[in-house]
Parts: sequence; structure tokens; C-alpha cells
Amino acid sequence: DAGITQSPRHKVTETGTPVTLRCHQTENHRYMYWYRQDPGHGLRLIHYSYGVKDTDKGEVSDGYSVSRSKTEDFLLTLESATSSQTSVYFCAISESKVWRLGYGYTFGSGTRLTVV
Amino acid sequence: AQSVTQLDSQVPVFEEAPVELRCNYSSSVSVYLFWYVQYPNQGLQLLLKYLSGSTLVKGINGFEAEFNKSQTSFHLRKPSVHISDTAEYFCAVGPRETSGSRLTFGEGTQLTVNP
Repeated sequence: DAGITQSPRHKVTETGTPVTLRCHQTENHRYMYWYRQDPGHGLRLIHYSYGVKDTDKGEVSDGYSVSRSKTEDFLLTLESATSSQTSVYFCAISESKVWRLGYGYTFGSGTRLTVV
Repeated sequence: AQSVTQLDSQVPVFEEAPVELRCNYSSSVSVYLFWYVQYPNQGLQLLLKYLSGSTLVKGINGFEAEFNKSQTSFHLRKPSVHISDTAEYFCAVGPRETSGSRLTFGEGTQLTVNP
């Protein structure tokens, strides 16, 4: 998707190892989000950020941490990967102003993570 | 808080038939409503949105949706589907008043168009 890049696109890792996923945007949007997508659950919010060094938890934040040291980068870390964290992870960005909220999110292409 | 219920997890239809994907939502505040589409192995793309005004909203690829406030629904429709419409569709809701608010998504509806 234009202006937002996720890396890596695919990753296989072993249980118990730390993993970091990266979301990079060139849109200078203030708000960034990490979701996971699982069959039967749709998209569930893990963490989100409303500015540099300002982050907050979503509904499924256990086992995950995030960092945002620059506007353009939002990192998601699985501190000790478990098989239940096998999923597709999506990053999204959005405009900062209330009146622009109606434009919703722009999504990245996703990272498919497999924990074995 | 908001919640979204997509009433059908899978919808199989034949090519050129009409289709309706159903979405109900719950919210204590006024909301924006969205439909996103996800083609296989891709991210989500905005299909259409309801912000205000006319309750019938037209989106890309011939899709439209109707906002019904009394029934708290936002059903997606297309009068004649194509094979290329096969994808997963997500309904989402977000509160109007709060800047940068999070969207809440439904569980998705897999639309499969058969020849």
C-alpha cells in the first residue's frame, strides 16, 4: 500500500524467541496501529500510538510490546513468541484530526508470522 | 465502546447474482461506518464509508451500502457480482467525536463468487 510498508512480509520463528515486526510510513500520520488477524476473530487491536513515545494497549496486548521513537516507525515486539501468536499482523495509519477520522485507516500489506 | 456483528461468516453466490453482506453495530455515541475488502494475500482496502448525509453510500467496484440508524445496520450490497469480487469483507465502526479513535472491526464475511 502506498505510503506504508511492513517488514518482514513472512517470518518463521521458534517458540520462546523474541521477534520484532516493523511498520514504516511516509505519510507523516500521527496515529499508528497494530492489529492481528485470525480466522473467526477478524482484526483485533494489539497496540496503538498517537505520537512519538505515546502508545497504549489494545484488546489483545498480552505478550506484545511496542515502540515509536520516530513518527514514521512503529515497532511491534513479541517478547517470547508462542504458537498462539501465529497470525497475520497488520499495521494501519490514520489522520490526526477529528474531521479527517472519516477517512478511516490505510493498511499495510501484512506480515505472516509462524511460531513453531 | 463499540461492537460490530457481521451476521454471515460465509456467503457463496453465483456470478451475476445480487448479494447482500449484513453488518449490525452497537455504540453509545455517534459513529462513522466503513466497509473494507481484503483480497487473498493482501491488506485491507477501503470499499466505502458513511460519514453523514445520504444514507445510501456508493463505493468502488459497484458496491453500495445503506445506513439504517434505527436498526443500527450498515448492509453492503451489489446488484450483480463478478468472480473478481471473491474476497473477505469487513465492516468497521469508529466514534466521531474523539480524534484518532480506534476502529472496531467485525469478524469478516467471506464472499465466494462461483461461475
